[in-house]
Amino acid sequence: GDSVTQMEGPVTLSEEAFLTINCTYTATGYPSLFWYVQYPGEGLQLLLKATKADDKGSNKGFEATYRKETTSFHLEKGSVQVSDSAVYFCALSDRSGGSNYKLTFGKGTLLTVNP
Amino acid sequence: NAGVTQTPKFQVLKTGQSMTLQCAQDMNHNSMYWYRQDPGMGLRLIYYSASEGTTDKGEVPNGYNVSRLNKREFSLRLESAAPSQTSVYFCASSLMGGHSYNEQFFGPGTRLTVL
Repeated sequence: GDSVTQMEGPVTLSEEAFLTINCTYTATGYPSLFWYVQYPGEGLQLLLKATKADDKGSNKGFEATYRKETTSFHLEKGSVQVSDSAVYFCALSDRSGGSNYKLTFGKGTLLTVNP
Repeated sequence: NAGVTQTPKFQVLKTGQSMTLQCAQDMNHNSMYWYRQDPGMGLRLIYYSASEGTTDKGEVPNGYNVSRLNKREFSLRLESAAPSQTSVYFCASSLMGGHSYNEQFFGPGTRLTVL
């Protein structure tokens, strides 16, 4: 079945540091890939997405590239801010095998950015 | 647009009590979902409704029932609450389940404690 593995946290960085959160996936078909962000006490919000191989999703300074050859979708940001402190979830949606209504999530990575 | 709304925001139950979590969306989405979020587990799908009039089990359906009341509303019922159902519950919706680009929009969550 489909699965998503993302680096375990927590991740603690200083403001303006470079961020990478690794995400790899297993899927039977041709998935779409997503990064969601959850700020404290809130629901999940879509951060960025990529729907086919080599697509780059970007939003709010965050980027991730859909790498089919390495089955990866790593999240990066060049200079983090305190306001980026949140939990980040990698997820996929796979059209094949009748599972195309569902998202499969990783376990989440807690990011804390200190001033 | 309010997006996805959930009621209540917080609830404390005693073991064996029943309750219904309400969810509504005003985006004219076809598909709706219920997830639970537990520490270190990511989000796990309980039930989903691909379209009005249909419901299907997700990854962890035991102990829950759902009703797709109409296109806007999707409720989750706990018939006899157990401490293992202590969790944060999220409702989500998407325009068209079955499409590879299956962006889901999440509500703010219901924090449920079962004593």
